[in-house]
Amino acid sequence: DARVTQTPRDKVTEMGQEVTMRCQPILGHNTVFWYRQTMMQGLELLAYFRNRAPLDDSGMPKDRFSAEMPDATLATLKIQPSEPRDSAVYFCASGTALAPQYFGPGTRLTVL
Amino acid sequence: SQQGEEDPQALSIQEGENATMNCSYKTSINNLQWYRQNSGRGLVHLILIRSNEREKHSGRLRVTLDTSKKSSSLLITASRAADTASYFCATDAGNTGKLIFGQGTTLQVKP
Repeated sequence: DARVTQTPRDKVTEMGQEVTMRCQPILGHNTVFWYRQTMMQGLELLAYFRNRAPLDDSGMPKDRFSAEMPDATLATLKIQPSEPRDSAVYFCASGTALAPQYFGPGTRLTVL
Repeated sequence: SQQGEEDPQALSIQEGENATMNCSYKTSINNLQWYRQNSGRGLVHLILIRSNEREKHSGRLRVTLDTSKKSSSLLITASRAADTASYFCATDAGNTGKLIFGQGTTLQVKP
């Protein structure tokens, strides 16, 4: 049963620290999405990639967030430096252009 | 900004009853999708309806789409306690796979 995996599942860190979240998309999926979910803002698209190339990162604060796909099996989302307002659940999802998205279990980030 | 808006924000029903959730959106779409999210989990895809379709069924789920009104509804028949979750509609406007999600409807089904 193919699944999107994310690590870590939970992360507690202090303000100013670097945070790296990792995602392994489903094999064969060529599109990877990063979302952030909070009670106030709901589910927001941060960035997405197709065939490892970034297509849209307009939802991402550029000064502190960065997203990459070093290879087809790994996507990373990095926050440096982290701030308390970054506390949220971060989801990775994968799919193909015209198909549903498959979500990972999320990384719950708490920045103190 | 959110493309889809769900209504109601919260819904509480008894097991066995039907649950209806509505979604409105603002711009033209290629398809609309419904997802479910159980507490503390990722979203799970339920059903996809294309812009040239008016109704679609999957098990106890029935989705309708009215492009003239820019709205969709999700009907869950004979609800079960296990249907308790948040339900989100999401629209794909450009056939890119990029989805814009609504704020969701929280459904509670009481046993």
